[in-house]
Amino acid sequence: AQKVTQAQTEISVVEKEDVTLDCVYETRDTTYYLFWYKQPPSGELVFLIRRNSFDEQNEISGRYSWNFQKSTSSFNFTITASQVVDSAVYFCGGSNSGYALNFGKGTSLLVTP
Amino acid sequence: DAGVTQSPTHLIKTRGQQVTLRCSPKSGHDTVSWYQQALGQGPQFIFQYYEEEERQRGNFPDRFSGHQFPNYSSELNVNALLLGDSALYLCASSKPGDGNTEAFFGQGTRLTVV
Repeated sequence: AQKVTQAQTEISVVEKEDVTLDCVYETRDTTYYLFWYKQPPSGELVFLIRRNSFDEQNEISGRYSWNFQKSTSSFNFTITASQVVDSAVYFCGGSNSGYALNFGKGTSLLVTP
Repeated sequence: DAGVTQSPTHLIKTRGQQVTLRCSPKSGHDTVSWYQQALGQGPQFIFQYYEEEERQRGNFPDRFSGHQFPNYSSELNVNALLLGDSALYLCASSKPGDGNTEAFFGQGTRLTVV
């Protein structure tokens, strides 16, 4: 069984602040995928990133960056210089089978002007 | 290029009734998955269809069933609706050979059971 923990339920920041969203994915399997999705008020889940369990190289994409540490089962997501349009619910999770995606409960991010 | 489309967008049903939700995958995708998202929760995997067969199923009762058609579109059927079935139902599609890790989601069907 897998367990996804997003300890932060709600975060509120002022525009231009940096913000880090935490995620812990616990599994006994050695091979799995991790991911982050964003869900704006419209409801559609928007894919952000996927990372294989054997790839611990951190990644930066524009204002987004991800930090994966297998030793602590953490896969954290940082938004640099946040903007109002970043306001959404962010879900992390993983997939062991390659079929079912296991999501956390989400972190609601509110960015105010 | 149309993304994943779901219909209807909203639905109100009475307890005990049956409901059918529909999903058309993104062009070029042949795998369709269904998720249930209760208010304030993350999506929960219901099942996945590939080549018109159920490939994997989550922890949902037999009241939840599905079908995939030769054109890769899919339906989710829920029988004997309970109040607890009220949720946002999301459909996701993915490309052949991509597993289900880069899934594209539709905007969902909001089901309310009264």
